[in-house]
Amino acid sequence: GAGVSQTPSNKVTEKGKYVELRCDPISGHTALYWYRQSLGQGPEFLIYFQGTGAADDSGLPNDRFFAVRPEGSVSTLKIQRTERGDSAVYLCASSSTPDRREGYTFGSGTRLTVV
Amino acid sequence: AQSVTQLGSHVSVSEGALVLLRCNYSSSVPPYLFWYVQYPNQGLQLLLKYTTGATLVKGINGFEAEFKKSETSFHLTKPSAHMSDAAEYFCAVSDGGGFKTIFGAGTRLFVKA
Repeated sequence: GAGVSQTPSNKVTEKGKYVELRCDPISGHTALYWYRQSLGQGPEFLIYFQGTGAADDSGLPNDRFFAVRPEGSVSTLKIQRTERGDSAVYLCASSSTPDRREGYTFGSGTRLTVV
Repeated sequence: AQSVTQLGSHVSVSEGALVLLRCNYSSSVPPYLFWYVQYPNQGLQLLLKYTTGATLVKGINGFEAEFKKSETSFHLTKPSAHMSDAAEYFCAVSDGGGFKTIFGAGTRLFVKA
């Protein structure tokens, strides 16, 4: 597609529920990143995919968070047993190469609210 | 470890005045440096970047930034602010050795008429 698409744009869920957040990167972009942006803060790195594999998942806060990219394009961020502290905007970004000199193209994000 | 510090969470300027947003970084190796802009309810948009070569880099919308290694700084400037520049600006660093780009906390720019 023309840009990075994230769905849903907003998600409200109850504490303890499971959620999935979807990211559609720019067509042909092999590198895909997930970031989390809490209120008043900058984006915080969660995970990086090169192709289908997670090359760096060191930013995932705990084992309730998991992400997949089975065919090397669309990625899904999965959060189990959601907590109120998970409330944030989850940003997805993609790049045509793993070379970070190019910078990223970001989606508009999914605003997750856990009540 | 890499880190980014943006001085001032909020900056207010008058329309037509100079914009100066400050960013200092730490990196163990020569860094790649970026400025991103975020308008309300939108994703981050790359404004400009420094990788190698000329230390003064120009970006979109009349913004520029200068990489100063001795000061570990990468401040963002624009000679004359426009109302449409009101947004949040993020400085970011990547040292090329890993997979992460680290972002600062952001500076919200207000432009007064």
